[in-house]
Amino acid sequence: GAVVSQHPSWVICKSGTSVKIECRSLDFQATTMFWYRQFPKQSLMLMATSNEGSKATYEQGVEKDKFLINHASLTLSTLTVTSAHPEDSSFYICSAPLVSNYGYTFGSGTRLTVV
Amino acid sequence: QKEVEQNSGPLSVPEGAIASLNCTYSDRGSQSFFWYRQYSGKSPELIMSIYSNGDKEDGRFTAQLNKASQYVSLLIRDSQPSDSATYLCAVNYGNQGGKLIFGQGTELSVKP
Repeated sequence: GAVVSQHPSWVICKSGTSVKIECRSLDFQATTMFWYRQFPKQSLMLMATSNEGSKATYEQGVEKDKFLINHASLTLSTLTVTSAHPEDSSFYICSAPLVSNYGYTFGSGTRLTVV
Repeated sequence: QKEVEQNSGPLSVPEGAIASLNCTYSDRGSQSFFWYRQYSGKSPELIMSIYSNGDKEDGRFTAQLNKASQYVSLLIRDSQPSDSATYLCAVNYGNQGGKLIFGQGTELSVKP
């Protein structure tokens, strides 16, 4: 139980285009979703926190106009990387806290490559 | 700035040995602590969670928490080559379900 389905698992896009990443909670309602970015050989860096029905909260240094987060329903949160550049190439992972315990469930991640 | 610090690694141990992974955190108000294992290109996989001072054992894994020292560790007994991965320490800041902050990870290599 408590599965977050993340799509796509990998995507290649051209510089200047936008890419949308979806995280869908399959068997529970995710009122909160955390979005992380991970560069090679580095840890997961929290980018933003999305809450259903309200604006996302971005971590310091993360451009809110570049990384658009939408959490319009209790089962879907999306991250759109706008005007992507090669330096945005990274592994993006979503995570939702679990009400039943103090744990968290993670999406399978999206490998974004901008060429 | 809330921080989570881990041994930089890489850590190399022979098969069958005990691997010891350490983590310190900056916020005394932290309530929940997690150890994740991550393989390259994959999402983190939960190994252990710990919330109270002391030891928590699960199979070959033991997590140790010392809130006074703001220190949490993970011991892996009888290490196997399949344990080779990056181990991430993560700390929950705030209330249940609050943001999870990760350490930089320790790469573990278990040599046959």
